[in-house]
Amino acid sequence: DAGITQSPRHKVTETGTPVTLRCHQTENHRYMYWYRQDPGHGLRLIHYSYGVKDTDKGEVSDGYSVSRSKTEDFLLTLESATSSQTSVYFCAISEMGSRTWDTQYFGPGTRLTVL
Amino acid sequence: DQQVKQNSPSLSVQEGRISILNCDYTNSMFDYFLWYKKYPAEGPTFLISISSIKDKNEDGRFTVFLNKSAKHLSLHIVPSQPGDSAVYFCAASTSGTYKYIFGTGTRLKVLA
Repeated sequence: DAGITQSPRHKVTETGTPVTLRCHQTENHRYMYWYRQDPGHGLRLIHYSYGVKDTDKGEVSDGYSVSRSKTEDFLLTLESATSSQTSVYFCAISEMGSRTWDTQYFGPGTRLTVL
Repeated sequence: DQQVKQNSPSLSVQEGRISILNCDYTNSMFDYFLWYKKYPAEGPTFLISISSIKDKNEDGRFTVFLNKSAKHLSLHIVPSQPGDSAVYFCAASTSGTYKYIFGTGTRLKVLA
């Protein structure tokens, strides 16, 4: 199994509160991703990173920001949580290497509830 | 606009029989496809992949078929086992984009 941990694993918060989710990897992979999983929508990409301090938006980035100051850590921040951000959040890592595509490996997920 | 579609939300199959999960895509630039399996309360785990230069890839009980002209791929599981009961996601990517688009998933139930 790829060395990916997410913290916290569960969180309940109130609307308007800032929330930060952490993804930590021990694989030294260059690419890191944040997804959310919702019924009827599958997995949707929020933001991704292709190196330290290099990030880009995914398909559902509104209301989220990310930071990556070290190779091993990728943080997802909800500046002011809303009920629509109640979801399960997954971090993933990938190492493209010499190819332009590669397999993604996922963390265990964080279940976030915004009341 | 859903670029990757899994039109069957659920599928039930008898143990020992074949499970066929389908996935359609609309973007002709996709050239790499993956299947993931997901159990409840766990992250998705990689199952099998295929690049657009192939039309078939096998790994044990799992085979993925790619029909580029139809923009369709399928995952065959033979024989199906109760432990295969999970949600299966297909995903697609275009070389150089480093991003994956996922389908909505199909819940497979293998009946003992």
